[in-house]
Amino acid sequence: ELKVEQNPLFLSMQEGKNYTIYCNYSTTSDRLYWYRQDPGKSLESLFVLLSNGAVKQEGRLMASLDTKARLSTLHITAAVHDLSATYFCAVEGTNAGKSTFGDGTTLTVKP
Amino acid sequence: DGGITQSPKYLFRKEGQNVTLSCEQNLNHDAMYWYRQDPGQGLRLIYYSQIVNDFQKGDIAEGYSVSREKKESFPLTVTSAQKNPTAFYLCATHSPDRGYGYTFGSGTRLTVV
Repeated sequence: ELKVEQNPLFLSMQEGKNYTIYCNYSTTSDRLYWYRQDPGKSLESLFVLLSNGAVKQEGRLMASLDTKARLSTLHITAAVHDLSATYFCAVEGTNAGKSTFGDGTTLTVKP
Repeated sequence: DGGITQSPKYLFRKEGQNVTLSCEQNLNHDAMYWYRQDPGQGLRLIYYSQIVNDFQKGDIAEGYSVSREKKESFPLTVTSAQKNPTAFYLCATHSPDRGYGYTFGSGTRLTVV
C-alpha cells in the first residue's frame, strides 16, 4: 500500500525567509504532484515531477524529485503573505492516474 | 471556459437519507475521480472511472455509489450506509497524458443534520 508522508504539517514563517516542505513516499513511483489549497477552497495543481532529478520552479516555489530516496521537496524562497495556504503532495502509484495524497502542510506567512 | 462543475455547493443530509452529488465536466477527459477531504486531512479516493460505463472502487468506497453513463458526468450518491458522511467532496479529472495534475471542481460540503 502506497503511503505518503509530509512534514512539517504546520509551518509558520516570517516574510522574507526560506523554508522547505518534505514529501516522503513508500513505494516506487516516478510521477509526483504538488497542489495548493486556499482555506475553504478546492485544490489547484502547481507542479508535476516526472523523473528522477526533475526540478520545476514557479515564482518563489521550487519543487524537486529524488526517486531513489522516494523524496520530493517544495522549497519556498523569500516567503510572502500570498503564499499562505495548505500544500499537498500526491504520488501516483502503479495504477496510472490514481494518486495518494499526503496530509498537507499548512503554511502561514507572517509579516 | 473548460472546467468542472460540482453542485450543490452545500448539502445537508438527514439521518437515513441518500443524497447525490453532481459532477459535470466539459474538458473531454476520460478519467474522473471522487475524493473526500476531512478537516485537517488529505484527500482519500472514493471511486474513479477511466472510461464511460466503467468505474472502480477507491480506498473508501463503502457507503457510496457512482455511475458513469456519459463522458461528461460522474455523479456520486452518498447512501444511508455511510455512517460518517460529513466532509468536503471533490470531483476531479485527469488529462490523458497526465502531464498536469488533476483539475478539481469547486467541491460540495456535505453536513449531516
